[in-house]
Amino acid sequence: AQTVTQSQPEMSVQEAETVTLSCTYDTSESDYYLFWYKQPPSRQMILVIRQEAYKQQNATENRFSVNFQKAAKSFSLKISDSQLGDAAMYFCAYRIIHYQYNNNDMRFGAGTRLTVKP
Amino acid sequence: NAGVTQTPKFQVLKTGQSMTLQCAQDMNHEYMSWYRQDPGMGLRLIHYSVGAGITDQGEVPNGYNVSRSTTEDFPLRLLSAAPSQTSVYFCASSYSSPGQPYGYTFGSGTRLTVV
Repeated sequence: AQTVTQSQPEMSVQEAETVTLSCTYDTSESDYYLFWYKQPPSRQMILVIRQEAYKQQNATENRFSVNFQKAAKSFSLKISDSQLGDAAMYFCAYRIIHYQYNNNDMRFGAGTRLTVKP
Repeated sequence: NAGVTQTPKFQVLKTGQSMTLQCAQDMNHEYMSWYRQDPGMGLRLIHYSVGAGITDQGEVPNGYNVSRSTTEDFPLRLLSAAPSQTSVYFCASSYSSPGQPYGYTFGSGTRLTVV
């Protein structure tokens, strides 16, 4: 069963504008990491940003930032000053922290395809 | 800096044929996994391994076998290919110590078509 939900199959943004991609997840665990991955047409999976669930401060990486709402189990990605190279499929994912064993696999959403218009 | 190397990049099989997708990493990662990517489904876990000699099933293991004889290699075997196995396959690896789940390093993927 899908435990990561990306409700926007497709999004578009004008170059230089800001866009937010939504992600919600469902887990009963309290300790986990959240990730956004980018997949351009080359098919390569590229890590965009990572958030530790125990940290209240939202992660930022240059033009990419997240809005992490732990109680709501929401983890949205904001892309500022969008560039043509940002066009890609974006996947939200989480990975549980297991302290007693290490088979902590990563669960992915279905993805959001982002188009950037010049 | 090879990272995770997947071969082949493309493959066409006939129904019933067998093949092995290769995956090798040179980062001394304990954790390795195989995912398949299908439109509208995201990435779904097939099998994973937490170290040499240890493997386990993921979300969609049927029709696939794996083994892990060394830390570096984690091949995925399709014993009798079916059209439902047409997909893009990704191998991924990471460090994995209790309490420290790192992000994955992915291979470049294999596009498999079963006719």
